[in-house]
Amino acid sequence: DAKTTQPNSMESNEEEPVHLPCNHSTISGTDYIHWYRQLPSQGPEYVIHGLTSNVNNRMASLAIAEDRKSSTLILHRATLRDAAVYYCILRDVTSGTYKYIFGTGTRLKVLA
Amino acid sequence: DTGVSQDPRHKITKRGQNVTFRCDPISEHNRLYWYRQTLGQGPEFLTYFQNEAQLEKSRLLSDRFSAERPKGSFSTLEIQRTEQGDSAMYLCASSPTTGHGELFFGEGSRLTVL
Repeated sequence: DAKTTQPNSMESNEEEPVHLPCNHSTISGTDYIHWYRQLPSQGPEYVIHGLTSNVNNRMASLAIAEDRKSSTLILHRATLRDAAVYYCILRDVTSGTYKYIFGTGTRLKVLA
Repeated sequence: DTGVSQDPRHKITKRGQNVTFRCDPISEHNRLYWYRQTLGQGPEFLTYFQNEAQLEKSRLLSDRFSAERPKGSFSTLEIQRTEQGDSAMYLCASSPTTGHGELFFGEGSRLTVL
């Protein structure tokens, strides 16, 4: 499974944008980039995913580098409720497996 | 509520006892997953089902662990002869076969082995 590298922790001020980086230098052409987050005492929840183009949804934006070796999850205005662990995951849709391999993620702290 | 539900939410047991966790996925989801999570770590994949077929098992799943999904609906995860190292949060997730396979997680079952 292709691996991702994320910073262990980040801090942000409330109502400011947050850019959460993820490196995936060994990504293959069929790997989708998925982001999940895990709020305290809850199971992970889906945030966003993409393949090559930048993606936007109501929760966040995903910016994917042109060479696809890195990506950035963007929270446009962080709130206290965004304090969570954010996981960047690669999933190969052609591999025949449907499992997601989670790393240790980035713990985001939002300061009031 | 039509989300993934897990039962029990908390279980405290003595070493050597057997425990069973139940997961009820979102009703139209064909795929069901079990993960284990310890403090400070991300979820670790254990196994997954498509309908009633168990299609993949992690090497983490020792022979003390068994999972079933007999009618392709709810699933159970049993741990026999529990050890202190089994203490963890056991997470269940489900996903549809259509779309990109987004996982929907339950809130987990926390196991403490004394």
